[in-house]
Amino acid sequence: QLQLQESGPGLVKPSETLSLTCSVSGDSIRSSPFYWGWVRQSPGKGLEWIGNVFWSGTTFYNPSLEGRVSISVDTSKNQFSLRMTSVAAADTAVYYCVRHEGQWMVEVDYWGQGVLVTVSS
Amino acid sequence: DIQLTQSPSSLSASVGDRVTLTCRASQNIATYLNWYQQKPGKAPNLLIHAASRLRSGVPSRFSGSGSGTDFTLTISSLQPEDFASYYCQQSYDSPTFGPGTEVDIK
Repeated sequence: QLQLQESGPGLVKPSETLSLTCSVSGDSIRSSPFYWGWVRQSPGKGLEWIGNVFWSGTTFYNPSLEGRVSISVDTSKNQFSLRMTSVAAADTAVYYCVRHEGQWMVEVDYWGQGVLVTVSS
Repeated sequence: DIQLTQSPSSLSASVGDRVTLTCRASQNIATYLNWYQQKPGKAPNLLIHAASRLRSGVPSRFSGSGSGTDFTLTISSLQPEDFASYYCQQSYDSPTFGPGTEVDIK
């Protein structure tokens, strides 16, 4: 059974960088045809796709966040990571890592449990 | 980007009721439409993908239909465990989600 587990700081200061890691167990992150992505959910903006990465390193990002976001993969550790710069209060949300088929989330079959990240000084 | 609207935003229903939820896209997305169920404190769970394909393990009382811009999710006989929020998501282009429909007990 595949499991995804998010980890990272729960509190980030405004203007600083948010960094989260998703650890994958139960399958290889090299499994095709799967992409590995991040989705966040906040009371104000609902569910929002952030971006995804293929095991080869190919990435796709939400145009509204592009420039602040980068997603990387470490196949040796079976992990992938999210980095978001210049965070503000509007970035406060529950962040989920996901596995899906197709670059545009054609079928999301696994979600992590989510991690709450609060942006506050 | 492609906008999704859902209606109603909330509804109250009873166990055994037939419930229909609607999702409308701002442009033609063919059948690139997924439906999720989310319960409080939990991650969303995929119910239907490609507008009408039931995910393995999802009860057959859930069904989806539609193409182009108009889509529906139907629960044929509402069960106690179905009281939750439901979201649509388009996978035609850079993914976006609808604002959700909350189904609660009448």
